[in-house]
Amino acid sequence: DQQVKQNSPSLSVQEGRISILNCDYTNSMFDYFLWYKKYPAEGPTFLISISSIKDKNEDGRFTVFLNKSAKHLSLHIVPSQPGDSAVYFCAASGIGGGTSYGKLTFGQGTILTVHP
Amino acid sequence: EAGVTQFPSHSVIEKGQTVTLRCDPISGHDNLYWYRRVMGKEIKFLLHFVKESKQDESGMPNNRFLAERTGGTYSTLKVQPAELEDSGVYFCASSQVFQAPHGYTFGSGTRLTVV
Repeated sequence: DQQVKQNSPSLSVQEGRISILNCDYTNSMFDYFLWYKKYPAEGPTFLISISSIKDKNEDGRFTVFLNKSAKHLSLHIVPSQPGDSAVYFCAASGIGGGTSYGKLTFGQGTILTVHP
Repeated sequence: EAGVTQFPSHSVIEKGQTVTLRCDPISGHDNLYWYRRVMGKEIKFLLHFVKESKQDESGMPNNRFLAERTGGTYSTLKVQPAELEDSGVYFCASSQVFQAPHGYTFGSGTRLTVV
């Protein structure tokens, strides 16, 4: 039973445009959500996070939106740059329901390609 | 500060053999985690150490996997005997005590291939 899902395996966008990566979750005990970025042959690197008490968090070109009622979050990258090309993982944590702080539940990842 | 170091970066072994993966966390990080990504799927939690104690090992697949963290410093993950389905990339991560999840620092991973 996969509790965090990224239904788009890949996304291709033009440089300068907006990239929107989506993530859905099922466990209502999740209360902290994160996005990680991963380049080939490297470990995931933290990008941005959001607490369940918020619906938006912004950091430079990156914005994460959380819709708790829909159990959906998205990552917006504006403007997209070729260096953003990587695999993006959505992750969640919380307490209860089989999860705990420190234990991250990841989605399958979305490969983002930004074309010059 | 040095990051999380994992060794080896790649390992190819035959089915039935034993392999030991090592993780050196960031100095001073009491929390150490092991994760695994199989065949381009999601990154799955294996276990969590706080110092030398296993805080949560609910993600360990079966008793062929043994994780240790003697002295609360580096950790090893032994697979014995290895099976084909154990192939994947094994990531280690560390964080300070009570640090929020975004405080995780991942290592580059060990790519294990069982043939």
